[in-house]
This record gives sequence, C-alpha cells and structure tokens, in this order.
Amino acid sequence: KQEVTQIPAALSVPEGENLVLNCSFTDSAIYNLQWFRQDPGKGLTSLLLIQSSQREQTSGRLNASLDKSSGRSTLYIAASQPGDSATYLCAVRLIWAGTALIFGKGTTLSVSS
Amino acid sequence: GAVVSQHPSWVICKSGTSVKIECRSLDFQATTMFWYRQFPKQSLMLMATSNEGSKATYEQGVEKDKFLINHASLTLSTLTVTSAHPEDSSFYICSARDEGTSSYGYTFGSGTRLTVV
Repeated sequence: KQEVTQIPAALSVPEGENLVLNCSFTDSAIYNLQWFRQDPGKGLTSLLLIQSSQREQTSGRLNASLDKSSGRSTLYIAASQPGDSATYLCAVRLIWAGTALIFGKGTTLSVSS
Repeated sequence: GAVVSQHPSWVICKSGTSVKIECRSLDFQATTMFWYRQFPKQSLMLMATSNEGSKATYEQGVEKDKFLINHASLTLSTLTVTSAHPEDSSFYICSARDEGTSSYGYTFGSGTRLTVV
C-alpha cells in the first residue's frame, strides 16, 4: 500500500529564507507527483506537477524535484514571503490509469515578516 | 485551465437530515471524479471514485448507503450525506482531471465545510 510522508509537519521561518519541504513515498511505481497548496478552510491549489520521467519542475520561486528510485521529492521555496504561509501537500498518482491521488499529511508553513 | 466548482462552500444542518454537495467541471468533461474527506490537521482521505453513468467505487470503510454519489453527466457529480450525524462534520473536497487534454494534473474544488448539529 502506497504511503506518503511529509517532513516536517510544521515549519516557521522569517521572511526571505530559502526552505525545503520533503515528501517521501513507499512505492516507486508512480505515474506522477503533484505539489499543492492549501490555505485554511480552502480547497487545493496545484503548484507543480512532475511526471515520473522528469527530475524537476520550476514555477517562479518554486522548484520541485523528484527521485523516483529513492521515493523522494522536495519542494524548494526561494526567498520566502508571508504570503507563502499555508499548508503544502504532496500527492502521488499510481501508474494505473484513473486512480486517485494519495496524499501526505502536509507541511504547515508560517513565514513571519 | 481546468476549473472545478464545488457548492456549497459551507453548510450547517441538523442531525438526521440529508445534505447534497455538488461538484462541477466548468470547462471540461470528466468521466471520473473523486471525493475526499479531510479532518482537521489531517490529510485528504479518498472516500470514493465517481464514474459517469455507473456506480461509484467506495474505499474500504466508507458507507455507500450513507454517502450517496451520483455522476449523471460528464460535468456533474453529487455527494449526498444521508441522515447526517455530528461525526460526519468534516471538510469534503472533490477533484477531477481534464481527460481531453495532455494535462496530467488533478484540479480540486474549493471544498465544503459540513457542520452537523
């Protein structure tokens, strides 16, 4: 059974710091991995999607890497801002078509000004 | 990009009543939609996979008679919580993928906060 783990569970940093969020998964037979952002009481906003054949994806100050063989992904946030404060979730999609995403519990990030 | 609309965003109901939550794909068709439940400070747990024109597939431990799912069209799936109880209070989110494009990512609705009193 696929399990997704995110470390740390919570993180507090001052504005301007670069930070890394970690995600690990037990079964490397994934189709892709997706990082989401969730604000309190809200739905999910997709940040980055990495296909299993890819090593990384970048969007603005965000960079996500994927090492499928070791079952790990990292989300790098450069020059953090208070507006980045949210819960970040990673999710994997298994190789079988039509399957739902399996989520980690998330990392709650707080960026202070 | 693909947009999924979910309504209502929040609802309060009395114990024993039923509540319907709608999930619509606004600019694409989705033969498959997914319903998740999220408890405070917990991850999203898949409840069921909604299939257009056929019965939903429920995850282990999810009561299909309590959480009725209907996917009558390619753009609409509904989740009805029947005979709601306080323990059903939770955050419910649906998601879908635009199968008509090369995009492989899933889009999520804004969620529904259900409170049963």
